[in-house]
Amino acid sequence: LAKTTQPISMDSYEGQEVNITCSHNNIATNDYITWYQQFPSQGPRFIIQGYKTKVTNEVASLFIPADRKSSTLSLPRVSLSDTAVYYCLVGDINRGSTLGRLYFGRGTQLTVWP
Amino acid sequence: DVKVTQSSRYLVKRTGEKVFLECVQDMDHENMFWYRQDPGLGLRLIYFSYDVKMKEKGDIPEGYSVSREKKERFSLILESASTNQTSMYLCASSSLNRVGAYNEQFFGPGTRLTVL
Repeated sequence: LAKTTQPISMDSYEGQEVNITCSHNNIATNDYITWYQQFPSQGPRFIIQGYKTKVTNEVASLFIPADRKSSTLSLPRVSLSDTAVYYCLVGDINRGSTLGRLYFGRGTQLTVWP
Repeated sequence: DVKVTQSSRYLVKRTGEKVFLECVQDMDHENMFWYRQDPGLGLRLIYFSYDVKMKEKGDIPEGYSVSREKKERFSLILESASTNQTSMYLCASSSLNRVGAYNEQFFGPGTRLTVL
């Protein structure tokens, strides 16, 4: 079971870069790493996904070292609206060979201050 | 715009009642999921379905069952509700996973269930 560990909370100020690291020591060869964002009273929303090295999209970057035992979500120049809970998800959902293979972390509460 | 809907936002039931939580997706996704979310524990997978009438147990299936008779609908059933099943329940769907492809999950807004 690829369990994940994240910091419980982080604080930042507007305009700063925020890096949230997730530890997943038991990641399997076929597992992808996915990050989700959740606002209060809403379901989580996909941010970014990667398998190795670096992935970048319009809202974030994901850094994955060669051993893939951790990953870092990087949010550039955060704003107040980035205050949310961020979840790291590790696993794969190939049919017929799943469970125990899809694991959300407990989430990191990011608070952005003015 | 992709959409996952859940039958109720809030639900209050009594201990021992049979409870049905319904989830519908309009994206023709093969995969559907049920999670529960509790403070300090994050999201935990209850059941997963990758096709009609197919299901797989997640991390915490005890006390729950599921039904998927149609591709777009995935139901979570609490056969005999207990107070420790008071929680937020989230449904999600995703397209079929292929090597190198997305398995982004789209979530519904959640159902907050209280069992008295």
